[in-house]
Amino acid sequence: GIQVEQSPPDLILQEGANSTLRCNFSDSVNNLQWFHQNPWGQLINLFYIPSGTKQNGRLSATTVATERYSLLYISSSQTTDSGVYFCAGVGGNDYKLSFGAGTTVTVRA
Amino acid sequence: DSGVTQTPKHLITATGQRVTLRCSPRSGDLSVYWYQQSLDQGLQFLIQYYNGEERAKGNILERFSAQQFPDLHSELNLSSLELGDSALYFCASSVEDHLTGELFFGEGSRLTVL
Repeated sequence: GIQVEQSPPDLILQEGANSTLRCNFSDSVNNLQWFHQNPWGQLINLFYIPSGTKQNGRLSATTVATERYSLLYISSSQTTDSGVYFCAGVGGNDYKLSFGAGTTVTVRA
Repeated sequence: DSGVTQTPKHLITATGQRVTLRCSPRSGDLSVYWYQQSLDQGLQFLIQYYNGEERAKGNILERFSAQQFPDLHSELNLSSLELGDSALYFCASSVEDHLTGELFFGEGSRLTVL
């Protein structure tokens, strides 16, 4: 399967700050998702975004498929944004989502 | 609520034992995926079933096995458990065989092996 690299591995934010998380893929992907894993372990779907830009409230994501990367933007961060953010993709003839190692975000009040 | 149901939510057992984790996919989904998330390994794909047949296999140990039943629910069997098998086990489902759309995950089964 494809290799997925996420950066930064850890991010500490003050409440109200903005941030950008990045995901690079080793090969072209035809399926790309962003997830948030909350402190209770639940994986929450944020975006299904194989290409283009989407926005959902304070979160938005952009995927540039030709350059094999995706960005997740968090604006006006809140303490509830804390957790681990994963990106995952399906490449080529693969059947499964391959996950990155995640970015651990801590938002301090 | 993703619509994917996993039971049990928590399980504590001893080394050498065997456990079964259960997953009910979203209504209408034919594919079921199993993932393992341990502290030092991240989210690792184990196995996929589509309409009762095995479709793809990942880093699944020989001590582990899975199946998908005619009603489309799936079970993951873990045997001869070791301390290192302690992890969060996720099930996910989708409509297709070859994933092109969004994948939805259950809340996971947290296994602790003592």
